Amino acid sequence: GEDVEQSLFLSVREGDSSVINCTYTDSSSTYLYWYKQEPGAGLQLLTYIFSNMDMKQDQRLTVLLNKKDKHLSLRIADTQTGDSAIYFCADRTSGSARQLTFGSGTQLTVLP
Amino acid sequence: ETGVTQSPTHLIKTRGQQVTLRCSSQSGHNTVSWYQQALGQGPQFIFQYYREEENGRGNFPPRFSGLQFPNYSSELNVNALELDDSALYLCASSSGGTNNEQFFGPGTRLTVL
Repeated sequence: GEDVEQSLFLSVREGDSSVINCTYTDSSSTYLYWYKQEPGAGLQLLTYIFSNMDMKQDQRLTVLLNKKDKHLSLRIADTQTGDSAIYFCADRTSGSARQLTFGSGTQLTVLP
Repeated sequence: ETGVTQSPTHLIKTRGQQVTLRCSSQSGHNTVSWYQQALGQGPQFIFQYYREEENGRGNFPPRFSGLQFPNYSSELNVNALELDDSALYLCASSSGGTNNEQFFGPGTRLTVL
């Protein structure tokens, strides 16, 4: 079945850029998403990209998609301590439910 | 506009018991999906309901069942609870449009002892 993989941990200094990477296996993915989860909370949709796009920018967030390599990244500019959280990438399957397949999440720690 | 709400927020049960979790979808959304998030893992798809019918199911046994009501709210029922059912259960609603953005509720933390 589909698989989505992410590195588990990332640590950056406040003010630096963060880059969180993700790889996926489903070649029929149409949309790919980035969600943020803070401790004890649900998932907050940050941004998404359609599979025919290479890049999408949304304020401090930049999503890059390399469809050939099935590689997705999320860049957060000027990272703040409030950005510390777990970040999940997810791809939307082509099944009738169009359910999301999530990676295991990347714990981003922003150091002062 | 009211977001996705779930109840209860926390629940403790013992092995073999049954549990019902509830979800109210965001206004205007007719599709509800349920996910199980074990500790340290990403959410895993359980099933989806669209207009009161099950519209897709993940790799979960039949003791996981659900309902959707005419107002599009939904229930997740789990029978014969096992220790491994301890997890955060997330509900997501969507409008079923082209993008199918799914908006998640805060989750119900289920602990099975």
